Amino acid sequence: GNSVTQMEGPVTLSEEAFLTINCTYTATGYPSLFWYVQYPGEGLQLLLKATKADDKGSNKGFEATYRKETTSFHLEKGSVQVSDSAVYFCALSQGGSEKLVFGKGMKLTVNP
Amino acid sequence: NAGVTQTPKFQVLKTGQSMTLQCAQDMNHNSMYWYRQDPGMGLRLIYYSASEGTTDKGEVPNGYNVSRLNKREFSLRLESAAPSQTSVYFCASSSGEAGRGEQYFGPGTRLTVT
Repeated sequence: GNSVTQMEGPVTLSEEAFLTINCTYTATGYPSLFWYVQYPGEGLQLLLKATKADDKGSNKGFEATYRKETTSFHLEKGSVQVSDSAVYFCALSQGGSEKLVFGKGMKLTVNP
Repeated sequence: NAGVTQTPKFQVLKTGQSMTLQCAQDMNHNSMYWYRQDPGMGLRLIYYSASEGTTDKGEVPNGYNVSRLNKREFSLRLESAAPSQTSVYFCASSSGEAGRGEQYFGPGTRLTVT
């Protein structure tokens, strides 16, 4: 079945550090890929998405590129801020369905 | 715009008690979902409803029932709560347009079963 594997952390970075969160997936065909973010005490919200190979999703300085050859969708940001402290989830959907399969999430803490 | 609302925000139950978690969305979405979030497990789908009048089991449906009351509301019922159901529960909705994939989440209900 479909699955998502991502770095679990927790990870602590200093402000302005570079961030990479690895995400790989297992699926047949061509899933859509997503990064969701959960700020403390809140529900999840969509950060970015890509629906086909080589697409790049971007939002709020974060980027991720859909790499079919490596079945990956790694999240990157060049300079993190304290306000980026949150839990980040990689997810996929497939087959015209809107049901999502989530990775386990990674908690990021950014210190000033 | 309220988006997805959930009640209650917190609840403590004793083993064997029942309760219903309420969820409503005001975005005219067709699809609605119930997830549970446990440490180290990510989010797991309990039940979903692709449209008004339909419901289907997700990954972890045992011990739960759902009702899609109308297009806006989707409730989750625990008939006989167990400590293993201690979790944070999230409701979500989506437009139902295939391929979009964006789900909108409520703020969650933190449930403790003692």
